Amino acid sequence: SAVISQKPSRDICQRGTSLTIQCQVDSQVTMMFWYRQQPGQSLTLIATANQGSEATYESGFVIDKFPISRPNLTFSTLTVSNMSPEDSSIYLCSAVTGKETQYFGPGTRLLVL
Amino acid sequence: AQSVTQLGSHVSVSEGALVLLRCNYSSSVPPYLFWYVQYPNQGLQLLLKYTTGATLVKGINGFEAEFKKSETSFHLTKPSAHMSDAAEYFCAVSDGGYSTLTFGKGTMLLVSP
Repeated sequence: SAVISQKPSRDICQRGTSLTIQCQVDSQVTMMFWYRQQPGQSLTLIATANQGSEATYESGFVIDKFPISRPNLTFSTLTVSNMSPEDSSIYLCSAVTGKETQYFGPGTRLLVL
Repeated sequence: AQSVTQLGSHVSVSEGALVLLRCNYSSSVPPYLFWYVQYPNQGLQLLLKYTTGATLVKGINGFEAEFKKSETSFHLTKPSAHMSDAAEYFCAVSDGGYSTLTFGKGTMLLVSP
């Protein structure tokens, strides 16, 4: 299995500001993903974080709003830009190991005022 | 496109009773199927997965699930519920281990004494 940590675990931010969330995996992984879980909802995939190249975004998500970096095989960041209250969610990082299993981080709980 | 339907947003059982959480999926290719559990204020934890082979898979905490291709189902069961099982459960499907996951809306399991 993979152990995934995220920073920060939670934050309260003002509208119009940006927050960068970090995701660290304890081993090299093939794939990393970012999900959003809005209050009381299921998980929605934001993008696939590609190592050394631009992320692949799902429909409804754009790079200007959610820039993602993945400089190596164990680390990725997601930035939530120009935040509004609608961005209040849990943001989860996940990684796929060599055994084709996707593991999740503990999530970052974001509240935008 | 893949989809997952979880019947019942909430399921209530008494401690010691059978737990049955329903999941139906649609997929154009042989699916990989997963159950995850999310405890309050935590990330997602993998309970079990089906990829190929034996259709009855056993997971952690006494849970198991059976893949039934003819019924396109992957229901989660546990013979005897514990209070500690109270959490939200998500069924998910992918078309391969390195592919993205599509989640159901989740089922909240409530366990009463």
